[in-house]
Amino acid sequence: GAVVSQHPSRVICKSGTSVKIECRSLDFQATTMFWYRQFPKQSLMLMATSNEGSKATYEQGVEKDKFLINHASLTLSTLTVTSAHPEDSSFYICSATRAGGLGYTFGSGTRLTVV
Amino acid sequence: AQSVTQPDIHITVSEGASLELRCNYSYGATPYLFWYVQSPGQGLQLLLKYFSGDTLVQGIKGFEAEFKRSQSSFNLRKPSVHWSDAAEYFCAVVPSSRLTGGGNKLTFGTGTQLKVEL
Repeated sequence: GAVVSQHPSRVICKSGTSVKIECRSLDFQATTMFWYRQFPKQSLMLMATSNEGSKATYEQGVEKDKFLINHASLTLSTLTVTSAHPEDSSFYICSATRAGGLGYTFGSGTRLTVV
Repeated sequence: AQSVTQPDIHITVSEGASLELRCNYSYGATPYLFWYVQSPGQGLQLLLKYFSGDTLVQGIKGFEAEFKRSQSSFNLRKPSVHWSDAAEYFCAVVPSSRLTGGGNKLTFGTGTQLKVEL
C-alpha cells in the first residue's frame, strides 16, 4: 500500500531558529501534498496545499513567509518553520495523494516544540 | 456554510459494547466522505470511505458506516468495541465539486475521543 514517511517525528528547537520537516512518498508519485497543523485535542487544520513544481497554496491566515513549503519532486515535500517561536509549537502532519486523487496517505506527524 | 460536524467530543463505552460515532455534513451536494482514526502522537489511518453506490460501507478493523442522504449523515459503527479501539476518530469530507475548482482538500470534523472501559 501507499506509504508516506515523515521526519523527524519529534524536534525541539530554540526560539528564533528554523526547522525543516520532510514528507516523502515511498512507493507512489505524490502530485499533491497537504500540510496540516494540529493543536492538542483539536482537529487538523489545513495549512497549505502543494503541487509538484508549483508554488504552494496557503489557507487563509497562514503566513507563507513563516511556513515555507517546497515540493520540488514527486516524492518529497518539505515544510520549513522559519524563525520559530513558542506559539509555533504544535503537531504537524503531511498527507499525499496522486493527481486529482481521493486516496490520502498520511505521514506519522512531527511534534515540534519551540523553547 | 459548508461544514462537517461531529457532535460528540468524548464517548466512553465498555469493551464488547456497540459503538456509533456521529458525523453530519452541510454541503450543497453530497461530498465524498471519510472516517479516519488517530492514535496519540500518530498520523491518521483510513477506516473507510464513501463515494457513491451502496450506502453501507465496510471498513477495516470491523468498522462500518452508513450514508443517509436524508439526514446528511455518515455515522460510524462497530458491533463490539475492543480496548485497542480507544483513539481519536475524525470524519472528513471532500466537496464533490472539487473538479470545478474546489480542489481535493480534505476538511475534518472536530473529532470524537473514544475511551474504552475494560
